[in-house]
Amino acid sequence: RKEVEQDPGPFNVPEGATVAFNCTYSNSASQSFFWYRQDCRKEPKLLMSVYSSGNEDGRFTAQLNRASQYISLLIRDSKLSDSATYLCVVNMGRYSGGGADGLTFGKGTHLIIQP
Amino acid sequence: GAGVSQSPRYKVAKRGQDVALRCDPISGHVSLFWYQQALGQGPEFLTYFQNEAQLDKSGLPSDRFFAERPEGSVSTLKIQRTQQEDSAVYLCAIPRGANVLTFGAGSRLTVL
Repeated sequence: RKEVEQDPGPFNVPEGATVAFNCTYSNSASQSFFWYRQDCRKEPKLLMSVYSSGNEDGRFTAQLNRASQYISLLIRDSKLSDSATYLCVVNMGRYSGGGADGLTFGKGTHLIIQP
Repeated sequence: GAGVSQSPRYKVAKRGQDVALRCDPISGHVSLFWYQQALGQGPEFLTYFQNEAQLDKSGLPSDRFFAERPEGSVSTLKIQRTQQEDSAVYLCAIPRGANVLTFGAGSRLTVL
């Protein structure tokens, strides 16, 4: 089983709709969770961190369920510019339990917002 | 991305050729990472440096892959006797705060 699993999609969603996708992780000792966004032929960039209590940033909401070992990303009122690949990222704490040295990326979920 | 410069941006190699990919982070960054991203996949960890020390090379797929950072700044990823399965984007990254990586634009390698 891969350490971080995502549905690759593509998710084809009309503009203005709400879309959600999940990611599961295998290591129950994982400590930190993130969503990165990657535009076509560009590098990944941090979208948002995922906190235990859930967190919201504008139209984006991230949730963590430690018991079931999944995280989710919800996008409301989707825009054409939201079209991208969304990478689920989990810190397995490879070394000291913190920092960027244990980040494991999922394959990404491809989202296409249609006009 | 801001803070990490990679070159070349694109490299086409014939199978069997050696290639060298360069990462030049802004000065003062202790940690540096290399990732490999194949088409349709997420970035996969290759190796990690703290200054000039290569602390983890467990992600390097074979002994044809070699990375160095001799003076603790610029890093080079070398691939010997390239194979078609080496075709991918090679991303260099530096940490920006806890758990956040800033990636360079990547070097896209195509092996024919």
